[in-house]
Amino acid sequence: EVQLLESGGGLVQPGGSLRLSCAASGFTFSMYAMSWVRQAPGKGLEWLSVIGGSGGSTYYADSVKGRFTISRDNSKNTLYLQINSLRADDTAVYYCAKDQFNDWNAGFDYWGQGTLVTVSS
Amino acid sequence: AIQMTQSPSSLSASVGDRVTITCRASQDIRNDLGWYQQKPGKAPKFLIYAASSLQSGVPSRFSGSGSGTDFTLTISSLQPEDFATYYCLQDYNYPNTFGQGTKLEIK
Repeated sequence: EVQLLESGGGLVQPGGSLRLSCAASGFTFSMYAMSWVRQAPGKGLEWLSVIGGSGGSTYYADSVKGRFTISRDNSKNTLYLQINSLRADDTAVYYCAKDQFNDWNAGFDYWGQGTLVTVSS
Repeated sequence: AIQMTQSPSSLSASVGDRVTITCRASQDIRNDLGWYQQKPGKAPKFLIYAASSLQSGVPSRFSGSGSGTDFTLTISSLQPEDFATYYCLQDYNYPNTFGQGTKLEIK
């Protein structure tokens, strides 16, 4: 059974940093690209970033480029998102999501339960 | 980045109704579009990929169509569990982009 479990969220002050983790199980982690998606309270979904299975390729939404860094450790089956210079508008539930296919960007078939990041002084 | 525009933003319907949600891309995305359902407090659920391919386990009352810039999600006969918010997502290129969502409510 595929499982994705995010952690690392919490309350952080503006300007602070946070590293989110997504522990994966139930599939060959290194074969699949993984993405981060967030949802601000009462708002829609926002795609943030993707990393290829080997970790060699990454892409970011313009809104987070330069402040967010996606990475993965295939030996630990874990995906990460480093978030720096946090702002109030980064407050959101952050989801990790697995690509459906290992060779074709065609949607996310599994999602984690999400981890809440709250940016406030 | 490609912009995705969904309509309507909200929709009231009754059990048994047929409903259609549309999504328009700001440029040609071939058929590289998916649909997701989200219920309050839950992660999104994958419904359709490649514009019209039904994800495994999704009821056949859900269907998708379209290519290029215009796409639709149709629910042929609404069931009580279908009241939720629906999002389209283009995966033609990066950054992937979501539509703003359509909230489907009970009339």
